[in-house]
Amino acid sequence: GAVVSQHPSWVICKSGTSVKIECRSLDFQATTMFWYRQFPKQSLMLMATSNEGSKATYEQGVEKDKFLINHASLTLSTLTVTSAHPEDSSFYICSAGTQAYNEQFFGPGTRLTVL
Amino acid sequence: DAKTTQPPSMDCAEGRAANLPCNHSTISGNEYVYWYRQIHSQGPQYIIHGLKNNETNEMASLIITEDRKSSTLILPHATLRDTAVYYCIVRVITNAGKSTFGDGTTLTVKP
Repeated sequence: GAVVSQHPSWVICKSGTSVKIECRSLDFQATTMFWYRQFPKQSLMLMATSNEGSKATYEQGVEKDKFLINHASLTLSTLTVTSAHPEDSSFYICSAGTQAYNEQFFGPGTRLTVL
Repeated sequence: DAKTTQPPSMDCAEGRAANLPCNHSTISGNEYVYWYRQIHSQGPQYIIHGLKNNETNEMASLIITEDRKSSTLILPHATLRDTAVYYCIVRVITNAGKSTFGDGTTLTVKP
């Protein structure tokens, strides 16, 4: 199956700083990428959908000015958590897909801890 | 996307078949049934999907009822490494994979 990577796999930052998480499709071109957030012992919650070259579509309740998403190429999407606070600490997971596939491919996730 | 209902947890003995049920009574005609699993602190892993016919691959079998209102994922010979949260999702195939995750079933395989 296709491979999706995320970088970094974990990050610890101070409150008030910004953190960028990268999501890459390694062996296919992803026209669409999705960003999820997962709190401990909870399910994945879709945050936003990003299409290459256009603005991301955010789910209800997700602050677009706080979670900046860029999908500049068919193999890379980035999520920037701006002015991070302890309540933003979570497991962030991306996935990638195209109209040609019947499945989406998930990255390994990024553990963010804000002190 | 249609909503799914799964039991919160199940146990299975190692080497035995694990049968994980999923109810999706409001599924639409163009929605597929997908199964993923998530091992602790990892990203979800695709297992199998189907529309109305039973499907089998190297990982599992998917049995969908004739009315398509429920399905069962079968792991034929569960191992300890199959311990994970299993998610059943229904979605159309044209939206490039957007999936809404429910609470899933925590499967614990015991020696």
